Amino acid sequence: GAVVSQHPSWVICKSGTSVKIECRSLDFQATTMFWYRQFPKQSLMLMATSNEGSKATYEQGVEKDKFLINHASLTLSTLTVTSAHPEDSSFYICSAREGQGQETQYFGPGTRLLVL
Amino acid sequence: AQSVTQLDSQVPVFEEAPVELRCNYSSSVSVYLFWYVQYPNQGLQLLLKYLSGSTLVKGINGFEAEFNKSQTSFHLRKPSVHISDTAEYFCAVDGFGNEKLTFGTGTRLTIIP
Repeated sequence: GAVVSQHPSWVICKSGTSVKIECRSLDFQATTMFWYRQFPKQSLMLMATSNEGSKATYEQGVEKDKFLINHASLTLSTLTVTSAHPEDSSFYICSAREGQGQETQYFGPGTRLLVL
Repeated sequence: AQSVTQLDSQVPVFEEAPVELRCNYSSSVSVYLFWYVQYPNQGLQLLLKYLSGSTLVKGINGFEAEFNKSQTSFHLRKPSVHISDTAEYFCAVDGFGNEKLTFGTGTRLTIIP
């Protein structure tokens, strides 16, 4: 149980294009999903928290207009990197939590983005 | 505010030897504590968690961790490691009411045959 998937697993795009990453909870309903970014050999940095049906809460320093997050259903959240640039290249990982008061986050396998 | 310190960035261990990965945390409130493992180019897998109750927590793959409130530590241990344990290990803390995980910088465990 508690499986989270991400699609695509990797993507290469040209500078200036937008990329959408999907995060799905496969066997549970996720009222809250989180988006993280991980640079090589570094830890995970929380980008934003999204609750189903409401606007995402972004961490300080994260541009909300660049990283658009949508959590339209209890099993799907999307992260769109708009007008991607090489510095946006990174490993993006989502996680999901079942509900308020549920302590455990279950992580997706990650999406590696390379912007040329 | 909460923070996590993993003092050892890399830990090499011979196969079948015991290992301890250290984690210390700081928080102004009570906490939940987690250990996650990350294999190359993959997401994070939950190893074990401390929420309440017994301070000795057992997880998957033979790992265990002990919550020590007085020392604000949550060290991860395994009595005998295998080649397959080679991975990055992250300690994380979630303070009551915060509902956000704060991760340590990770410890790369390398098993030497």
